[in-house]
Amino acid sequence: ETGVTQTPRHLVMGMTNKKSLKCEQHLGHNAMYWYKQSAKKPLELMFVYNFKEQTENNSVPSRFSPECPNSSHLFLHLHTLQPEDSALYLCASSQEPGTAPTNYGYTFGSGTRLTVV
Amino acid sequence: AQSVTQPDIHITVSEGASLELRCNYSYGATPYLFWYVQSPGQGLQLLLKYFSGDTLVQGIKGFEAEFKRSQSSFNLRKPSVHWSDAAEYFCAVVRGGGYNKLIFGAGTRLAVHP
Repeated sequence: ETGVTQTPRHLVMGMTNKKSLKCEQHLGHNAMYWYKQSAKKPLELMFVYNFKEQTENNSVPSRFSPECPNSSHLFLHLHTLQPEDSALYLCASSQEPGTAPTNYGYTFGSGTRLTVV
Repeated sequence: AQSVTQPDIHITVSEGASLELRCNYSYGATPYLFWYVQSPGQGLQLLLKYFSGDTLVQGIKGFEAEFKRSQSSFNLRKPSVHWSDAAEYFCAVVRGGGYNKLIFGAGTRLAVHP
């Protein structure tokens, strides 16, 4: 248990389905992140939230919709996905920007393995 | 812009052999550097991090890394590899400006032969 919990661990969905990924942290962190990890590709940062506000969206298609209702929870809503969206989706959290360097670094969840059929 | 290069995509070592995974960074000031490990189907776990001071950093699972400013490197080492060390290893650097934003390398996949 890393302190960041992601559910579900595995998800299979059709291209017309709507589903959501959930991430929860109780580490007192104020920043949360969604990453996509595809086979043979580097980690891709998708979204960044600081104090519940989205501060970064790296040109992610609108079929991915993040939601951060509070500093402890982060969702990724999925709809009309494509087969190329199949990947491991990782959530991470960290202390807020400007914190002491000793607090830098992310805590990752175990990920959700998404398969789009 | 900051970047991280891991020159080796795959490395295979025998159990009990020593290991060195290479990481080179591009950053103007003193970087904050990290090594993470990812077991199959899992998230990333922090092995160690460097901010300042002693350039040899000790981490978990018997790993260490050495910061060499002259070579812009932060190589990860382990004197004797165990079969359970087979995983993917990621080097990362914090983007500057006091902002806790990690830039990751492409990763090195380590295989361990018995």
